[in-house]
Amino acid sequence: AQKITQTQPGMFVQEKEAVTLDCTYDTSDPSYGLFWYKQPSSGEMIFLIYQGSYDQQNATEGRYSLNFQKARKSANLVISASQLGDSAMYFCAMRELGNQFYFGTGTSLTVIP
Amino acid sequence: DVKVTQSSRYLVKRTGEKVFLECVQDMDHENMFWYRQDPGLGLRLIYFSYDVKMKEKGDIPEGYSVSREKKERFSLILESASTNQTSMYLCASSLYPGLAGFNEQFFGPGTRLTVL
Repeated sequence: AQKITQTQPGMFVQEKEAVTLDCTYDTSDPSYGLFWYKQPSSGEMIFLIYQGSYDQQNATEGRYSLNFQKARKSANLVISASQLGDSAMYFCAMRELGNQFYFGTGTSLTVIP
Repeated sequence: DVKVTQSSRYLVKRTGEKVFLECVQDMDHENMFWYRQDPGLGLRLIYFSYDVKMKEKGDIPEGYSVSREKKERFSLILESASTNQTSMYLCASSLYPGLAGFNEQFFGPGTRLTVL
C-alpha cells in the first residue's frame, strides 16, 4: 500500500486566490511527522512546513498552512493569496521512527495571472 | 547557511561505465539519503545511511551501491550504468527524529544523469 497519496497530478489557481493540495497517508505508528516540499522548475527541493502527529494545532508558516485531520489521515497543504512564484511541484512526505521518508508522487501547481 | 552539495549538476555517461555521484553536507547530520526522481513517479529511495559506515536499502537498490566512510559524505555508485538509470538523482540529509520533532530533510541541487 502507498504510504503517501497525492491524487491531484495538476492544479490551477488564480493569482491571489487560496488553493488546497491534497495528501493522505497510511501508517499504523502513533508517532510520525508530515512534511511538505516545493520543487520549482530549477529542481531544488525546498522544505515548506512540518506537522507532528502529536501536535494539537495545525502548523502554519507564513502563507502556508497544513490542514491536519488525524482521524482521516489527511495532511492537506493550503496556500493562501497565491503568487506567480508558487508555480511548482509540491510533494507531501511522511517520516516514521525508522528514519526513512516516504514521498507522494507530487502535485504540479500553476498560478494563473 | 546549511548546505548539501552534489558533485555535478549534469552528467553524461556511456552504458557500462562505472559512475560515482558524490554528496557532501556540512550540517553534521547523521542521516543521508539518495533518491531518484522520474516524472510521474515522485521520489524513490535508493539507499539511506543512518550513520557512518551504515547503510540500508531503499525501494529500488538494484544496480546501485553506496559508500559512507565519513559522516559528511555519502556516495552513490552505479556499478555498470544502463540507459534505464537515466534520471535526476537527489541527495538529502537530516538529523535523527528527536524530542524536537521528526526533522526535515535538506536536499542538494540534484544531478541529472544521462546514460547513452
